[in-house]
Amino acid sequence: DSGVTQTPKHLITATGQRVTLRCSPRSGDLSVYWYQQSLDQGLQFLIQYYNGEERAKGNILERFSAQQFPDLHSELNLSSLELGDSALYFCASNERGGPEQYFGPGTRLTVT
Amino acid sequence: LAKTTQPISMDSYEGQEVNITCSHNNIATNDYITWYQQFPSQGPRFIIQGYKTKVTNEVASLFIPADRKSSTLSLPRVSLSDTAVYYCLVVSSSASKIIFGSGTRLSIRP
Repeated sequence: DSGVTQTPKHLITATGQRVTLRCSPRSGDLSVYWYQQSLDQGLQFLIQYYNGEERAKGNILERFSAQQFPDLHSELNLSSLELGDSALYFCASNERGGPEQYFGPGTRLTVT
Repeated sequence: LAKTTQPISMDSYEGQEVNITCSHNNIATNDYITWYQQFPSQGPRFIIQGYKTKVTNEVASLFIPADRKSSTLSLPRVSLSDTAVYYCLVVSSSASKIIFGSGTRLSIRP
């Protein structure tokens, strides 16, 4: 157990819909990262927040957005969903940044 | 970000030592070598990180030669539960963006 929690565990929705994925980092961690893992793309870095501010951006689509709240939990919003957005979405956290990150169990999103 | 090259897959047997080598010819001076393990449908788990020579923890050892253009992850006496994908990453200590390649799919047989 990494100490990072993600909800929900599974999500099934239809194309065109909007969903919100939630992540609670480990106690004391200020950095939160979001990743997408699909069968054909592997594990892709989406975005990082540090203490409420966006720190780094990866391959995040314009239809996707994220934020980190004052209590340090983070939400990833996915809108206008397409079939290709079906994937595992992981959240990770660490204290200040750097490559040693602690991953949550993931949210499996299925778009039908 | 330095590109890494590692074998797509490896097979071994329980009780054996497994060595997975990663090439990173363009590693920069401030880059660290980091390895992650991922089981199916689970988040990656940090295994070990090193800068040069040898690093050992309770799970694995990491060997890095002087030129740092490659590294070897060594898993002693593997068990069936070590079957997973292993990712080699080269990242600066302050980096935010981590690029996961395809990894090495390790299969352990009885």
